[in-house]
This record gives sequence, structure tokens and C-alpha cells, in this order.
Amino acid sequence: SQQGEEDPQALSIQEGENATMNCSYKTSINNLQWYRQNSGRGLVHLILIRSNEREKHSGRLRVTLDTSKKSSSLLITASRAADTASYFCATDGGAGSYQLTFGKGTKLSVIP
Amino acid sequence: DTAVSQTPKYLVTQMGNDKSIKCEQNLGHDTMYWYKQDSKKFLKIMFSYNNKELIINETVPNRFSPKSPDKAHLNLHINSLELGDSAVYFCASSPLISGAKNIQYFGAGTRLSVL
Repeated sequence: SQQGEEDPQALSIQEGENATMNCSYKTSINNLQWYRQNSGRGLVHLILIRSNEREKHSGRLRVTLDTSKKSSSLLITASRAADTASYFCATDGGAGSYQLTFGKGTKLSVIP
Repeated sequence: DTAVSQTPKYLVTQMGNDKSIKCEQNLGHDTMYWYKQDSKKFLKIMFSYNNKELIINETVPNRFSPKSPDKAHLNLHINSLELGDSAVYFCASSPLISGAKNIQYFGAGTRLSVL
């Protein structure tokens, strides 16, 4: 069954506001990743957080991970129109797992 | 230079035809993947090859056959195309198959439309 589920499915904000997307998953993991997909393009890796980490930053991105709740959040601060895209979380399946399972994504629209 | 390139970008064909999609990566990665993304943006793994060896083969019809002539190439051949095969197909690669090295680099996608 599908591992990751993003929430909300769609999010519309004004430029300059912060955007928060959530991801829930079902089984144990080694790592959780977030990817961005611009319309008509392939996915681009944004950030990876290991299962023993609770928070990670990269530029305007902040990712949190709560393994007890099997959930993660992606915060984009001071959003820009160029951040308009779909955002996916991806989880591996824990020890011995060879594949990533992607959620259905959150479609973010940043209005100038 | 494009890191992961796949051709063609668009493919429009009739039901019953056979078609191929090619993928090449110049990143020196050992592992390559094929994913299918449906109209609702759900991305599902189809196949994975590690150093030319098939390691993941999800429940995909036998009409889909991957071929890896070398570790830089992973092509996808589809026989007897059906309407339900219409989707965007993505090729990806990663340095290793597991752990923190399993960060994947995606091609731009091939939009397949079966009429």
C-alpha cells in the first residue's frame, strides 16, 4: 500500500507567506526525502532527513520528522512565485528496503 | 549537460502498437529506475536496475520490458499498448540503491498518449 500521504492536497498562499506541507507514512524508515516537481518537469530532490534526526534546514526550507507519529512536515518560508510546484515526500521502507515510495503530493500555488 | 535524459518527450500512438522509451544518465550512478505517474500525479515505481541487474520489478504487465545495455542506460519497451498505459513515464538514477545515497535524479519525463 502507499507509504506516504501528503496533506493538504492543494495549498494557495500569497507571496511572502510561509507554506507548510505535511506527510504521514506507515512503516519504519531509514530516511525521508522531499522532492519538488514543477509543471511538466521531473522531480527534483530538495532535502533528506534521517530517521535519527528531528529537524533539518536548507535555505528557506525546514523539515521536521517525528518518527513516533510517523509524520514529517516541510516548511517553506517567505514563499516566492517560483515556489509554485507540487511537493512530494518519499520514504524508504526501513532496513533492507531498496525502493522509495512517493506520496500523492501537495500542489502549492504562490500568488504574486 | 542534462544529467538524466529520456527520449522522446512526447509519444502519441495507437492501441496495439509497440513503442520504446530511452533513458541515459551521465552521472556515473549505479542504479536506474522507471516510474509511472498517472493523471492524479501518483508516482509508482515500475523497475529498478543496479549495475545492469534487475532488482525491483513491481507488479507490472509483461508487456513492459526494461533493458539495460550498460549501467548508464535503461530503456523501456512496451508491447501491445493499451489505453490505460497513457501516463507520464519518468526515468531516474541514484548513486546507490539504499541508505542516504538513494537520492534520485529524475529525467524530464515522457508523456505517453495511447489513442
